[in-house]
Amino acid sequence: DGGITQSPKYLFRKEGQNVTLSCEQNLNHDAMYWYRQDPGQGLRLIYYSQIVNDFQKGDIAEGYSVSREKKESFPLTVTSAQKNPTAFYLCASSISGTGDSPLHFGNGTRLTVT
Amino acid sequence: DQQVKQNSPSLSVQEGRISILNCDYTNSMFDYFLWYKKYPAEGPTFLISISSIKDKNEDGRFTVFLNKSAKHLSLHIVPSQPGDSAVYFCAASSYSGAGSYQLTFGKGTKLSVIP
Repeated sequence: DGGITQSPKYLFRKEGQNVTLSCEQNLNHDAMYWYRQDPGQGLRLIYYSQIVNDFQKGDIAEGYSVSREKKESFPLTVTSAQKNPTAFYLCASSISGTGDSPLHFGNGTRLTVT
Repeated sequence: DQQVKQNSPSLSVQEGRISILNCDYTNSMFDYFLWYKKYPAEGPTFLISISSIKDKNEDGRFTVFLNKSAKHLSLHIVPSQPGDSAVYFCAASSYSGAGSYQLTFGKGTKLSVIP
């Protein structure tokens, strides 16, 4: 089955530690995205990548970093510089990254930092 | 400044009736509008979309209407079923330069369909 796999589903970290969230897709999609969802909020874009070895900051990129070394993988690192890292993180992909290309989402990773 | 607004955090509808979810936007440069459905602890799934050059798109029980002059769109679900109970997000697409598009999401409306 084609899809997007995010792991782990739940992640707990101590404050001050960096943590990397995994996102893998086997849909052969060019574009990949990372969103963050907080309670009662919409999805906010952290980073996106249209092609391998290229990515752009979204609306809330501060305190996060990404890499896109392979088409199928787009890991997100939440650094210690992110002031409020506890959230639900969603990875998505789309065929082309154009406006009419729907996003396909993974099932998310819930990160808790204490 | 919220560019995509879903002013109703929640909506309850009887099974078999029509559900109408509303969305307003402020950016006239949005060119596509999409609706996503989300169950708890899962990622959103794409439901239906509409181009800014159209005023209606229908897919089975789901119809999206776009009123560009009012900067308003709505999702109609007829008839509503208990399995439709979920959070519905409105999203709008705009060109962000260098061949890239971005989606801006509303905060969502939680629909409860009562059997």
